[in-house]
Amino acid sequence: EIVMTQSPATLSVSPGERATLSCRASQSISSKLAWYQQKPGQAPRLLISGASARATGVPARFSGSGSGTEFTLSISSLQSEDFAIYYCQQYDNWPATFGQGTKVEIK
Amino acid sequence: EVQLVDSGGDLVQPGGSLRLSCATSGFTFTSYSMNWVRQAPGKGLEWVSFVSPGDSTVHYADSVRGRFTISRDNAKNSVYMQMNSLRAEDTAVYYCVRGNGVGWSNPKYYFDSWGQGTLVTVSS
Repeated sequence: EIVMTQSPATLSVSPGERATLSCRASQSISSKLAWYQQKPGQAPRLLISGASARATGVPARFSGSGSGTEFTLSISSLQSEDFAIYYCQQYDNWPATFGQGTKVEIK
Repeated sequence: EVQLVDSGGDLVQPGGSLRLSCATSGFTFTSYSMNWVRQAPGKGLEWVSFVSPGDSTVHYADSVRGRFTISRDNAKNSVYMQMNSLRAEDTAVYYCVRGNGVGWSNPKYYFDSWGQGTLVTVSS
């Protein structure tokens, strides 16, 4: 089973600033990496698949990059609605596995 | 609009059983794999089970194999999970999730649409 490790656990950012979240896989997963956003009391929402392809309706301020074992989710200018928990998920090797999440909080 | 509506969660005693249901609409159900993903209180996400579009291939997480059974009814656009021999560690919100990807024996899927979740609490 591939282990996904996200860092940092918590990221404190001021509105309008840039946030950079990291996700590392325990072995190469090519570009089979997805990112999800989860707000309190809500189901997760797909943001990015294939490491860099934004899902329908996802704002352009969200961007994903990376391949192999190192991946990044960037939010260029944080809006109030972006404060949430973000999870990465690999789908190159079954079972699909998730990172433990990064909480983006207001600084 | 794609919709997935989970139901069936409840409080159940250890060793008990429960059946979760997920009614879907807004997409061609027979073209997609379906999954259950769970989230224990205050914890992260854990994939639990997969069923292929034709119901011919199923997969389970090691933590539930032998106790949970996933199924689907393509005539009703619905997916189910029968949960037996429930344990305290099965307590979680269970999400019905649509898979997007390829493969059945070695699936490569991400999860593009989620139900609202249904809470299963296993406690005496």
